[in-house]
Amino acid sequence: AQKVTQAQTEISVVEKEDVTLDCVYETRDTTYYLFWYKQPPSGELVFLIRRNSFDEQNEISGRYSWNFQKSTSSFNFTITASQVVDSAVYFCALSEATNAGNMLTFGGGTRLMVKP
Amino acid sequence: DAMVIQNPRYQVTQFGKPVTLSCSQTLNHNVMYWYQQKSSQAPKLLFHYYDKDFNNEADTPDNFQSRRPNTSFCFLDIRSPGLGDAAMYLCATSRGRRGGAPETQYFGPGTRLLVL
Repeated sequence: AQKVTQAQTEISVVEKEDVTLDCVYETRDTTYYLFWYKQPPSGELVFLIRRNSFDEQNEISGRYSWNFQKSTSSFNFTITASQVVDSAVYFCALSEATNAGNMLTFGGGTRLMVKP
Repeated sequence: DAMVIQNPRYQVTQFGKPVTLSCSQTLNHNVMYWYQQKSSQAPKLLFHYYDKDFNNEADTPDNFQSRRPNTSFCFLDIRSPGLGDAAMYLCATSRGRRGGAPETQYFGPGTRLLVL
């Protein structure tokens, strides 16, 4: 069965610091997709990235970057020069290609607090 | 431009009084999902519609029902809310092709339900 672990429950940083959120997953499928979502205090889950298991290239989008390491089953998320607006709960999620209906397995989430 | 809309954003109901939450989408996605999210937890899938096909999660209580009258709308009915049903309810949509790759789920802002 698939599983996603976000070992960091809460992280607190000061503005402008870099921060990395860890995500480790388990799956028996060779084809799967990984996601990151941001949930600010307002409650909506905001989609950040979708990555398939065959694409191990790291991705950068502005201050956000993602490091996909298949060898360690990790898909870590780094925010460079953090800002107060980055304060949110971040969820990593996995979807196996064999499942019908795009089911997501979520990690427990990491609450990031960025202090001014 | 709102893509997944949930109404109301906040709902207060009384113990045992039926309540309906609504979700609409402008994305023309064929898959719609309902999640329950309690404080400091990851979203938990209740059920989803793949086109008109209803798919209930095995551990979703019978107290929760859903209707999808057309592609754009989906409703969550809680027949007899208990205090334990107080939570954020999130609606999400995605494209879906049977046998295709898992697609991204896009979430609405959620409805926060309070049971008195």
